[in-house]
Amino acid sequence: DTGVSQDPRHKITKRGQNVTFRCDPISEHNRLYWYRQTLGQGPEFLTYFQNEAQLEKSRLLSDRFSAERPKGSFSTLEIQRTEQGDSAMYLCASSLLGESSYNEQFFGPGTRLTVL
Amino acid sequence: AQSVAQPEDQVNVAEGNPLTVKCTYSVSGNPYLFWYVQYPNRGLQFLLKYITGDNLVKGSYGFEAEFNKSQTSFHLKKPSALVSDSALYFCAVRVSSDSGNTPLVFGKGTRLSVIA
Repeated sequence: DTGVSQDPRHKITKRGQNVTFRCDPISEHNRLYWYRQTLGQGPEFLTYFQNEAQLEKSRLLSDRFSAERPKGSFSTLEIQRTEQGDSAMYLCASSLLGESSYNEQFFGPGTRLTVL
Repeated sequence: AQSVAQPEDQVNVAEGNPLTVKCTYSVSGNPYLFWYVQYPNRGLQFLLKYITGDNLVKGSYGFEAEFNKSQTSFHLKKPSALVSDSALYFCAVRVSSDSGNTPLVFGKGTRLSVIA
């Protein structure tokens, strides 16, 4: 399968614990995006990378959220000191930035986080 | 600021009948418009996009959408619905820009139910 993959698919944690999610984009894609989706809502943009550079992170929900893409390939999203309000589906997407900037994003299956 | 409205939470249609899922948008500038579909326990799948050119865009699985600039709409249509089309549909928009740094903004989604 050459699509976007995410690991784990499900994560249950206790409030106050740290969690880390991984995303592997489509191999030739240079852009990688993180979104959060809560029940009854569309995906909400969090941050994105172009290669290893994080170009937008002001939409991250708080300073407990951080993301990395150290080698321009896979990315991790970390949530520190989780709260019950962090329970959501976390989606990763990737796209190829070519001569134009409007290529569609391809989404992974998501990681569903439940904070008890 | 960019925004997307999907005025219907739920659309019901009989199999074989035409379907329409509505979307209106607001951007300051020229829009890039997208439709995605989400099946249970799966990531969002790209259906079609409008960038420029012909206002009628054809996409995957027989879907099409019509860009109407005066009404700021991008409704999704299909001439003959299938039971397998039942899913959650999201409209998304971003403003065209050279930097490509503006995020994709999604609507809340419309649940389509096709009844046999």
